[in-house]
Amino acid sequence: AQSVTQPDIHITVSEGASLELRCNYSYGATPYLFWYVQSPGQGLQLLLKYFSGDTLVQGIKGFEAEFKRSQSSFNLRKPSVHWSDAAEYFCAVGGRNDMRFGAGTRLTVKP
Amino acid sequence: NAGVTQTPKFQVLKTGQSMTLQCAQDMNHNSMYWYRQDPGMGLRLIYYSASEGTTDKGEVPNGYNVSRLNKREFSLRLESAAPSQTSVYFCASSESVGGVSTDTQYFGPGTRLTVL
Repeated sequence: AQSVTQPDIHITVSEGASLELRCNYSYGATPYLFWYVQSPGQGLQLLLKYFSGDTLVQGIKGFEAEFKRSQSSFNLRKPSVHWSDAAEYFCAVGGRNDMRFGAGTRLTVKP
Repeated sequence: NAGVTQTPKFQVLKTGQSMTLQCAQDMNHNSMYWYRQDPGMGLRLIYYSASEGTTDKGEVPNGYNVSRLNKREFSLRLESAAPSQTSVYFCASSESVGGVSTDTQYFGPGTRLTVL
């Protein structure tokens, strides 16, 4: 079965600084990869997804992610973080009959 | 459009009580899902319905039952609640027929359940 690891439980960055959230996956075939964001007390919202093609994927709110097959990674990046980006971020991998989420990375943004 | 709605928002049960969590979507989506979210574990799929009239087990189905009442509604039932079922429950839907793998999922706001 597929699995997802998000190595960082909590990350703090200063507003305006760059951000990279790590995601490693395990899956036997070509993965379907997603990043979702969850604001406090809310459901999850899709930031971006990768199925095939260009390995650099652009998403909403200025986020992007790069699929690296050789490293089994799908890291999320943003060049300049805004205070409103403070939230929890989940990486997920989809298979035929299952969707597996990572444990999440909580992002704190310092003024 | 309301998107995905869930009721109730909060619920406290005693061990052994039963309850049904309701979920509805107004996006004419074919697939619907129930997840639970526990600290440090992300979301885990309980059951899903790949199309109206079908349901399948996910990663953690034990202790739960589901009903796909019609295309809009997908309910989750706890027949005899246990403290281990204390969690936040999310319903989601997606457009495609057939499974959980490829489509964007749209999530409801969640139900926070405590079992004493």
